[in-house]
Amino acid sequence: DAGITQSPRHKVTETGTPVTLRCHQTENHRYMYWYRQDPGHGLRLIHYSYGVKDTDKGEVSDGYSVSRSKTEDFLLTLESATSSQTSVYFCAIRTGTENGYTFGSGTRLTVV
Amino acid sequence: GQQLNQSPQSMFIQEGEDVSMNCTSSSIFNTWLWYKQDPGEGPVLLIALYKAGELTSNGRLTAQFGITRKDSFLNISASIPSDVGIYFCAGNNNAGNMLTFGGGTRLMVKP
Repeated sequence: DAGITQSPRHKVTETGTPVTLRCHQTENHRYMYWYRQDPGHGLRLIHYSYGVKDTDKGEVSDGYSVSRSKTEDFLLTLESATSSQTSVYFCAIRTGTENGYTFGSGTRLTVV
Repeated sequence: GQQLNQSPQSMFIQEGEDVSMNCTSSSIFNTWLWYKQDPGEGPVLLIALYKAGELTSNGRLTAQFGITRKDSFLNISASIPSDVGIYFCAGNNNAGNMLTFGGGTRLMVKP
C-alpha cells in the first residue's frame, strides 16, 4: 500500500449541495491528481496539483474546484452538485516509480 | 485533448485462452503504461514501457511499445479467473505531468 486514502468511500447527496472529497497521502509526494471514472469514458482528469497551493485544471474541470493547503491533503469540491457529477472519483499520486501513478480506492458519489 | 482509443471495450473468454488488447493514439507518447482495476478498487500498475519497440513481460503478461510511439498492446497468456477486471492503457508525452487514459477493456473469464 502506497499510503493513499480517500474519504468518504461512498456518498449520496442532493442536487445543489456542496460536496468535498478528501485525498490523503502519507509519503510526501509532490504530484496529486483527481480523476473521475464513468462507463465508456475511462479515467478523465479533473484537476491536479504539483505542490502546496499549486494546482491546474484537467480535461473535465468545470463544476469542480480543488485545494492543497498541505502536502498530504488534496481536496476536491463540488460547489453545487449536479446529477452529471454522479461518478466514481479516484485520487492518485505520482510516486516517481517508473512514471506511474498509485491510485486510491475511490469514492462513489451519487447525486440525487 | 489527447485521445487514446482502446479496444476491445469488453471480452468474454474461456479460462486458459490468450487475450490481446490494444491502444492507439493520434499523438506520440514517450511512455506507455498498462493498469488493471479490480472491482471496487483503484487501478494498479502492471507494466511500464519507455522505449519505442520495447517488449516487456510480467509473468503471463506481455506488453509492447509500438515502433511509431502511437500504439501499444497487452497480451495475457493462459487466462485464469483472477484476470477478471478492467484493463487501462495510459500514455504520457512528458510535455505535462499527467497521464491520458484509454477507455478500458473489461475482461470476463469463464471458468
